[in-house]
Amino acid sequence: DAKTTQPNSMESNEEEPVHLPCNHSTISGTDYIHWYRQLPSQGPEYVIHGLTSNVNNRMASLAIAEDRKSSTLILHRATLRDAAVYYCILRPYNYGQNFVFGPGTRLSVLP
Amino acid sequence: DTGVSQDPRHKITKRGQNVTFRCDPISEHNRLYWYRQTLGQGPEFLTYFQNEAQLEKSRLLSDRFSAERPKGSFSTLEIQRTEQGDSAMYLCASGPRQKRSGMDYTFGSGTRLTVV
Repeated sequence: DAKTTQPNSMESNEEEPVHLPCNHSTISGTDYIHWYRQLPSQGPEYVIHGLTSNVNNRMASLAIAEDRKSSTLILHRATLRDAAVYYCILRPYNYGQNFVFGPGTRLSVLP
Repeated sequence: DTGVSQDPRHKITKRGQNVTFRCDPISEHNRLYWYRQTLGQGPEFLTYFQNEAQLEKSRLLSDRFSAERPKGSFSTLEIQRTEQGDSAMYLCASGPRQKRSGMDYTFGSGTRLTVV
């Protein structure tokens, strides 16, 4: 399985943008980049995904490097409810494959 | 509520006892996954069902673990002769029939197992 590396933890101030990096130097051409987050005492929830182009949705933006060896999840204005563990996951295009989670980045949001 | 439901939310059991967890996926989802998560780690894949067929099992799924999805709807995960190392959060996720590359996983809130 293709691997990702993320910082163990990051801090942000409330209402400021947050950039969560992910390195995936061994990504293959058919791997999608997925981001999930896990709030305390909850299961992971979908945030965003992409293949080559940058993506935006109501929760976040995903910026993908041109060589696809890294990506950045952008939360435009962090709120206290965004405090969670964020997982960057590569998933092959073969739809039935399970996700391989790493330890993720624990984001703390300071009021 | 149309999300993934897991029952119970918490289970405390004595070492050596058997436990069974239940997962009710989103009704139109034909794929179902079980994961295990220990403190400070990301979820680890255990097993995967497509309808009632168990298509993949992780080597983490020892012979004390068994999972079923008899009618392709709800699933159960049983752990026999529990050990303290089985203490973890057990997560269930489901995915839809159609081929989508995006938000195809919905996770439940998990069952937290404590073996004493």
